[in-house]
Amino acid sequence: EADIYQTPRYLVIGTGKKITLECSQTMGHDKMYWYQQDPGMELHLIHYSYGVNSTEKGDLSSESTVSRIRTEHFPLTLESARPSHTSQYLCASSESGSPVNEQYFGPGTRLTVT
Amino acid sequence: SQKIEQNSEALNIQEGKTATLTCNYTNYSPAYLQWYRQDPGRGPVFLLLIRENEKEKRKERLKVTFDTTLKQSLFHITASQPADSATYLCALAAGGSYIPTFGRGTSLIVHP
Repeated sequence: EADIYQTPRYLVIGTGKKITLECSQTMGHDKMYWYQQDPGMELHLIHYSYGVNSTEKGDLSSESTVSRIRTEHFPLTLESARPSHTSQYLCASSESGSPVNEQYFGPGTRLTVT
Repeated sequence: SQKIEQNSEALNIQEGKTATLTCNYTNYSPAYLQWYRQDPGRGPVFLLLIRENEKEKRKERLKVTFDTTLKQSLFHITASQPADSATYLCALAAGGSYIPTFGRGTSLIVHP
């Protein structure tokens, strides 16, 4: 079992609310990622970080923002939620060192915006 | 545009048989290819990684092949069990950021 945690697991909120999805890992990984996944579809990279104070946007345009103030913590914030944000959000981390290492995924947050 | 194709139809097999899943890609020159398992409502779990200069990789009942000429990877599970039922994702990473791009996955259903 990977040591990467996401809270909440499920969230139902109304349109216009501000929300923060939490992601923490205890493995000391420098690299962290946020993906969005709809049922039966690909994972789409929305944000990633190579370390503290490093954040980059991914391939999928997103209205969310992220921060990386501590190695272990990589929260994602939606300033004003909309029904189009309804999806599964997956956080992952990986070691540095090699160009590509296995990604460890959290259990995900299923977000529903009404 | 870059494309990763995995069979969208579920693969149904009998317990004990070998399951073979396919990952094809176009307009891509991946340096690494990974396979992950994803159960419903959970995050993916890493299974195997293979590099572009490797033809085959094995781990217990799992085998991955990588043919950069055919632009294809095959993922085999031998002596399949009902517990192997899940969606299997392939992910490709190319030079630059080396961040994996995931396919849609293929659902495997192993019947007792």
